[in-house]
Amino acid sequence: EVQLVESGGGLVQPGGSLRLSCAASGFTLSTYWMHWVRQVPGKGLVWVSRINSDASSSSYADSVKGRFTISRDNANNTLFLQMNDLRVEDTGVYYCAGDPRGSYFFEQWGRGTLVTVSS
Amino acid sequence: SYGLTQPPSVSVSPGQTATITCSGDELGDELGEKYVSWYQQKPGQSPMVVIYQDKRRPSGMSERFSGSNSGNTATLTISGTQAMDEADYYCQAWDSSTVLFGGGTKLTVL
Repeated sequence: EVQLVESGGGLVQPGGSLRLSCAASGFTLSTYWMHWVRQVPGKGLVWVSRINSDASSSSYADSVKGRFTISRDNANNTLFLQMNDLRVEDTGVYYCAGDPRGSYFFEQWGRGTLVTVSS
Repeated sequence: SYGLTQPPSVSVSPGQTATITCSGDELGDELGEKYVSWYQQKPGQSPMVVIYQDKRRPSGMSERFSGSNSGNTATLTISGTQAMDEADYYCQAWDSSTVLFGGGTKLTVL
């Protein structure tokens, strides 16, 4: 079964850090560009970051640039998002999503992990 | 704000055709020059692609779902709408190495 499973979410104070993970099973992660997408419950989808297949290129939404870092470990089929200097507006469910060979769409989605930034 | 514009809600009667639009008024280039994808999200679930690269359906997706993209507007059409189609729908496109989503359209099947 093809599956993406996120972990690492939780409650953190403003200015704090979290590291999200996304474990892939049932398919080879290395053939996918991978993304993180955030959603505040009841609100829309917001793209956060992406990384290409061999980690040679990445990009970020302006709102997280300089604070978040995306990375991947293809040998272990895992995607990461290091989140530093967290802000209240970073709160939401974080989904990892797979884009097959840079085809400009998200074929696979995880179930999400909730990040809450609050004092 | 979201980079792509969708109507907040669309209502349709069962068996009728639902049309959801997505415009790229804030983009530098016309939306028709980019690939647009559409996602369906039901309460408590992750999004699921229903149309990708403007008009392609994923394997196993109902033929009732179709897409088009021309000028500055992309359109998702659901023919013979069923109660199971009631969900939020999001359009998505790439723009200069970043990804844009529409704000989402809540489809209600009355």
